[in-house]
Amino acid sequence: DAKTTQPTSMDCAEGRAANLPCNHSTISGNEYVYWYRQIHSQGPQYIIHGLKNNETNEMASLIITEDRKSSTLILPHATLRDTAVYYCIVRVRPEFEKLTFGTGTRLTIIP
Amino acid sequence: EAQVTQNPRYLITVTGKKLTVTCSQNMNHEYMSWYRQDPGLGLRQIYYSMNVEVTDKGDVPEGYKVSRKEKRNFPLILESPSPNQTSLYFCASSLYAWTEEQYFGPGTRLTVT
Repeated sequence: DAKTTQPTSMDCAEGRAANLPCNHSTISGNEYVYWYRQIHSQGPQYIIHGLKNNETNEMASLIITEDRKSSTLILPHATLRDTAVYYCIVRVRPEFEKLTFGTGTRLTIIP
Repeated sequence: EAQVTQNPRYLITVTGKKLTVTCSQNMNHEYMSWYRQDPGLGLRQIYYSMNVEVTDKGDVPEGYKVSRKEKRNFPLILESPSPNQTSLYFCASSLYAWTEEQYFGPGTRLTVT
């Protein structure tokens, strides 16, 4: 699986959009980008995933660059409950049974 | 309510005393897995199961055993726990291994003294 690089921590003001970057410069054509988050030692929670097109769901938007070497998770109107560690993961279809988490980005929403 | 449950949630034990952490899901998922989480290391996969009676090693299987006799249950067994197995453990499940969303349990915090 491609390695991902994320900032260790970020702050965002409540009500503003939180933009979390992820670098996956060695991603291959059949690898998907996934985002999960973990709120204070609870079990991780799936957010969104994509291959090459931008994706949006009720929780967030995922923007993947055209060369697929990086992506950004966008939480459009961050609330205090969005304070969590956010994990960017790339996952290749034949090995979907393995989900490898890195250390993620600790996002703190500031009131 | 669709969920993954783990028991116990907290456990303090001594070196060498066999223990089992149970995991159960009520979503009829075929795929289940176990992770451990340690500070600075993120989540690491211990074992996974693609279906009943099918299990395989993850990235850190040493010192652990699993079994999958029923679809809903996937217990994690520590035959002879050691202090380096002190960790936060998560069970997860999904309909299939390739399903986008994995559902995680609430976690089991294990301390081995």
